[in-house]
Parts: sequence; structure tokens; C-alpha cells
Amino acid sequence: EAGVTQFPSHSVIEKGQTVTLRCDPISGHDNLYWYRRVMGKEIKFLLHFVKESKQDESGMPNNRFLAERTGGTYSTLKVQPAELEDSGVYFCASSQGIRESTDTQYFGPGTRLTVL
Amino acid sequence: GESVGLHLPTLSVQEGDNSIINCAYSNSASDYFIWYKQESGKGPQFIIDIRSNMDKRQGQRVTVLLNKTVKHLSLQIAATQPGDSAVYFCAEKCNQFYFGTGTSLTVIP
Repeated sequence: EAGVTQFPSHSVIEKGQTVTLRCDPISGHDNLYWYRRVMGKEIKFLLHFVKESKQDESGMPNNRFLAERTGGTYSTLKVQPAELEDSGVYFCASSQGIRESTDTQYFGPGTRLTVL
Repeated sequence: GESVGLHLPTLSVQEGDNSIINCAYSNSASDYFIWYKQESGKGPQFIIDIRSNMDKRQGQRVTVLLNKTVKHLSLQIAATQPGDSAVYFCAEKCNQFYFGTGTSLTVIP
């Protein structure tokens, strides 16, 4: 069974440009999460989808970030316009959703975003 | 806000020795805790979890201890192997997941 995949693995853009990150969760997983790790700091929660609905987006930094999960399958995270402080590794995770409180999350390899 | 911290950012152990990685959490309402292992170029990988109604859970070569009195979580790795070298994150669940900054474990052959 394929794991969580993310594309691209690396992205280098200039300040002010737009970048779209993609996450393909494990097939059949209802829950999809986005996280971000800034260099040397903790992994921070961004948002949580249950199928195509945003369950919790309290971790989104500001309105330059837009996440979508049309059809409840893959998800995209768009940053527009990108700023220097957006640099970091963006992780996606998915879980089955049977028991949400203790549902094991499977992480993708992450997308390393560098904003110059 | 939430804070999950690790006592030591780096840890070096001799192959075959036992490793202990510590984690402090701040929210007494957290009811679920997980340890993740992250190898270079990969995403965090689930190792072991524990619910707040337990104080110890064992897996294969790993044990997680939870002390709710002092809000402390630890991961013990028995007979540490070179393949255990990685960054280890603890995470607590209180509505959402909160992660620590990670501890880098280096196993010396």
C-alpha cells in the first residue's frame, strides 16, 4: 500500500511568488493534516480536514495560506504571496478516522520550501 | 498556548546501551501522547503511543513512560542500534496535536 506522498519534495521561490504544495493521503483515509516545521523549531499544526471539510484551521498563520481538499482525496496548500518566514518543511499526514482521538497519523516525506 | 519541550536537543549513546529521551508537556488536559522517529529525508514515523489512563506501555525494544503528576513523558530504547539514529519527537493531543522540537539521537558504533 502506498504511503502519504507529497509534491514537490523541494521548492525554491522568491519572495512575493506563489507556491502550491500537494499531498496525496493514504487511500481511504478521511483525515488529512498539514503541519510545518521551521528550522530548529517544533512541528506546528496548520489544519485538519475530515474528508473535504476543514475540521480545524486554527493553526493557519494568516490569509496568505489557503488549503483545499476538493473531493476529499488529495489536498493542496497554496502560499500567496510567499514571505521569507514561510520557509520550512511542510508535512502532510493522514489517518483513517475510525477513532479520531487516538487515530495513528501517517506522515509524508515533507516539502522543503525555501523563500529567497 | 501549548508547549511541548525536550530536555536535551542531542543525545549520543554507545551501540548496545539503552537510550532515554525525555519530554515535558504543559497541558494537563492532554489525553494522548505519541513518540515519532524521523530519519533524514523522511517524515515522522509513528513509534509508540500511550493514553493518559496508562503510565507505561511497551513495544518492541521501546517503552514509553508517562508521569502525569509532573507532566513528563519518556521514551526508552533498549539495546540501541545504529539504525536508531534519528530525530525523535514527542507529541501530545489536546484537541489538536502539539509536537516538541525534537531530540537528535546518535548511536556510536
